[in-house]
Amino acid sequence: EAGVAQSPRYKIIEKRQSVAFWCNPISGHATLYWYQQILGQGPKLLIQFQNNGVVDDSQLPKDRFSAERLKGVDSTLKIQPAKLEDSAVYLCASSFRGGASGRNIQYFGAGTRLSVL
Amino acid sequence: AQKVTQAQTEISVVEKEDVTLDCVYETRDTTYYLFWYKQPPSGELVFLIRRNSFDEQNEISGRYSWNFQKSTSSFNFTITASQVVDSAVYFCALSEEGGANNLFFGTGTRLTVIP
Repeated sequence: EAGVAQSPRYKIIEKRQSVAFWCNPISGHATLYWYQQILGQGPKLLIQFQNNGVVDDSQLPKDRFSAERLKGVDSTLKIQPAKLEDSAVYLCASSFRGGASGRNIQYFGAGTRLSVL
Repeated sequence: AQKVTQAQTEISVVEKEDVTLDCVYETRDTTYYLFWYKQPPSGELVFLIRRNSFDEQNEISGRYSWNFQKSTSSFNFTITASQVVDSAVYFCALSEEGGANNLFFGTGTRLTVIP
């Protein structure tokens, strides 16, 4: 079974530029998550989708970050414009279900390492 | 509010030694789930184990074992006879039943196994 796919693996941009990351979850997984992992820290949730609807985006800096999950499968996370403090690894995860009724395991992709210069 | 503390930032052991990684958590929920993930240099978080708050049985899987103690709010992870391939960053995480399956991670422990 294929795992969570993410691209690109690495991205270097200058501040104020835009960048987008792509994620393809495990087939059949309804719930998709984006995490930000700053160097030396644990991952922090940015946004959670259930199919193509947003479940939780309370930690997403909405002035510069946006995410979508059209058709309830692939997802794109965008940063516009990027700041120096956005340098981090962006991890995508998926689970079969989510929400209070399902304590499902989240499976992670390899992440995209973003460097903002 | 939920919190996960991994006080050990870095640990180095010589191959074949046993090592224990500590995890202490805080939550007000009576139903919650605890996880351990491994993050090798490739970057992918690899799921190791999930435990719910009503199951305090210790678990063993090969060289890995986990000790869950609600009385001390701890969920420690022991690797027996460590190997070089065990070198990675290990994260403990908490998910509360009242939440939306969101994971709250500790800051991780970097384990280096020296051959």
